[in-house]
Amino acid sequence: AQSVAQPEDQVNVAEGNPLTVKCTYSVSGNPYLFWYVQYPNRGLQFLLKYITGDNLVKGSYGFEAEFNKSQTSFHLKKPSALVSDSALYFCAVRDGDYKLSFGAGTTVTVRA
Amino acid sequence: NAGVTQTPKFQVLKTGQSMTLQCAQDMNHNSMYWYRQDPGMGLRLIYYSASEGTTDKGEVPNGYNVSRLNKREFSLRLESAAPSQTSVYFCASSEHGTGVSPLHFGNGTRLTVT
Repeated sequence: AQSVAQPEDQVNVAEGNPLTVKCTYSVSGNPYLFWYVQYPNRGLQFLLKYITGDNLVKGSYGFEAEFNKSQTSFHLKKPSALVSDSALYFCAVRDGDYKLSFGAGTTVTVRA
Repeated sequence: NAGVTQTPKFQVLKTGQSMTLQCAQDMNHNSMYWYRQDPGMGLRLIYYSASEGTTDKGEVPNGYNVSRLNKREFSLRLESAAPSQTSVYFCASSEHGTGVSPLHFGNGTRLTVT
């Protein structure tokens, strides 16, 4: 089975500083990788995906993610964090035609 | 646009009671899913429906049943609720399967079983 791991339960950054949320993957074959964000009392929202092509993927709300095959990582980044970016972030990998396997999630807190 | 609508938002059940969680999407998506979210465990797939008329088990199907009523609606039924089913349940839809189309989620149903 395919899987992802998010090694940090929490990430705290100051507003205006760079934000990185880490994700590593374990797959057989080529990975299809995703990032989702969950705001309080809401469902998950799609941010971006990597299927093939450029290793730097741009997504919604100014987020981007870097795919690194040698390190089996797919870290989410934002150059300048906002207080409104405070949320729960999930990395996910395609694990079948109709299944995504999600990581445990990383809580991001951006302080003013 | 409503997107994916789930009802109810909250529910408290006693052990052994039954209930049905309702989900409807207005995006004309082919595929629909039920996930449960538990702290520290991410989301786990309960059942999915690849297209109207089909349903399949996901990662944690025991204790649940589903019905794809039509292209818009996909319900999840707990026949005899257990405390282990206390969770937040999310319905999602996608135009096609995973890897091709992103998932669109509802706002969840918070279920407590006492």
